[in-house]
Amino acid sequence: EDQVTQSPEALRLQEGESSSLNCSYTVSGLRGLFWYRQDPGKGPEFLFTLYSAGEEKEKERLKATITKKESFLHITAPKPEDSATYLCAVRIQGAQKLVFGQGTRLTINP
Amino acid sequence: DGGITQSPKYLFRKEGQNVTLSCEQNLNHDAMYWYRQDPGQGLRLIYYSQIVNDFQKGDIAEGYSVSREKKESFPLTVTSAQKNPTAFYLCASSRQGRFYNEQFFGPGTRLTVL
Repeated sequence: EDQVTQSPEALRLQEGESSSLNCSYTVSGLRGLFWYRQDPGKGPEFLFTLYSAGEEKEKERLKATITKKESFLHITAPKPEDSATYLCAVRIQGAQKLVFGQGTRLTINP
Repeated sequence: DGGITQSPKYLFRKEGQNVTLSCEQNLNHDAMYWYRQDPGQGLRLIYYSQIVNDFQKGDIAEGYSVSREKKESFPLTVTSAQKNPTAFYLCASSRQGRFYNEQFFGPGTRLTVL
């Protein structure tokens, strides 16, 4: 069964304290891995797409990387405004839908 | 500005009533989707449509219905047959294609059954 697991469920950091969020996937053929940011009570906001192992994408303090089994969202010197839930999703071969993980709730304390 | 709009933002329903959630997009996307989000769970797919006048069931379609009469619009009806409808409902759209499948989401509708 295609599965996406994110860890940790919640992460609390001090402002400026860098860390990484993990997204592990077991799928029958990856057609893309997607990272989203979701603020409370709002729809997810698209961040990155990764297609193959070794690929990296960056945006401001965020950097996404991917291997054959997992993806990481690295956050460097985070600020309080980076607090949100980060969602990972995969598209599998032959399917139109995305399979989502449960998300990591990130809190950055000033 | 291109984007996805959902209405209403909040919706209250009495048990036994059907309600319809609106979703409109002006991104010229062919594909549209409806997801349900519950606390502590990932997004779950209800229905999706890749082209006008065609749609497919997702993982949790029971108790829901959709229509796709126009490319821009994909309304979701939550029927009285849906046993636990209280949730946050998200509409999304994407281009069609082998690789370009980033889905863009609307702001959501929070449905509460009284």
